[in-house]
Amino acid sequence: DVVMTQSPLYLPVTPGEPASISCRSSQSLLQRNGYNYLDWYLQKPGQSPQLLIYLGSNRASGVPDRFSGSGSGTDFTLKISRVEAEDVGVYYCMQALQTPLFGPGTKVDIK
Amino acid sequence: QVQLVQSGAEVKKPGASVKVSCKASGYTFSAYYIHWVRQAPGQGLEWMGWISPKSGDTKYAQKFQGRITMTGDTSISTAYMELNSLRSDDTAVFYCARETLAGFDPWGQGTLVTVSS
Repeated sequence: DVVMTQSPLYLPVTPGEPASISCRSSQSLLQRNGYNYLDWYLQKPGQSPQLLIYLGSNRASGVPDRFSGSGSGTDFTLKISRVEAEDVGVYYCMQALQTPLFGPGTKVDIK
Repeated sequence: QVQLVQSGAEVKKPGASVKVSCKASGYTFSAYYIHWVRQAPGQGLEWMGWISPKSGDTKYAQKFQGRITMTGDTSISTAYMELNSLRSDDTAVFYCARETLAGFDPWGQGTLVTVSS
């Protein structure tokens, strides 16, 4: 079975500073078509999850360009170039190659 | 705009069943799979399964096999998730989400199901 891990699980951030979250899959998420089947979601406090990044590195519609996704195969990273207060919440990676599986989540909070 | 609106909160006794609805609007309901995701209090996201509204095909997570049923009614653009033999640890918020080539988007607002005697 595929296992998804994220680090760190808790990330205190300072507004205006960059932040980075790592996601690892126990199996490669890179398909022959060149796509990495890895998505990122943000669940803000009291809200439903919302799509941030799909297929590893594509920003969803309406997502600010301070968010970026990178990586390939088994190692992926979500970066926020300059954190804003509205970015707090829990960030989940999700493998979409087989049956969907979410990582444990990374809680981002303001220092 | 594309929207998924779920039914309201439910309180159920152990052993009972719950059926949560997810009404779609703003797009062709039959053209996209609907997934269901569970979130226990203070916990992460757990995928439960999907349904193809067009064909009725389903796939369930092994954990829920035997006590979950997903259905869809294209005439009213609504998907349903029924969970049977409820236990206290089924207390959770249940979300529906539309699968696109670009991820799960949008998500419903969530339905809290509380299982308590």
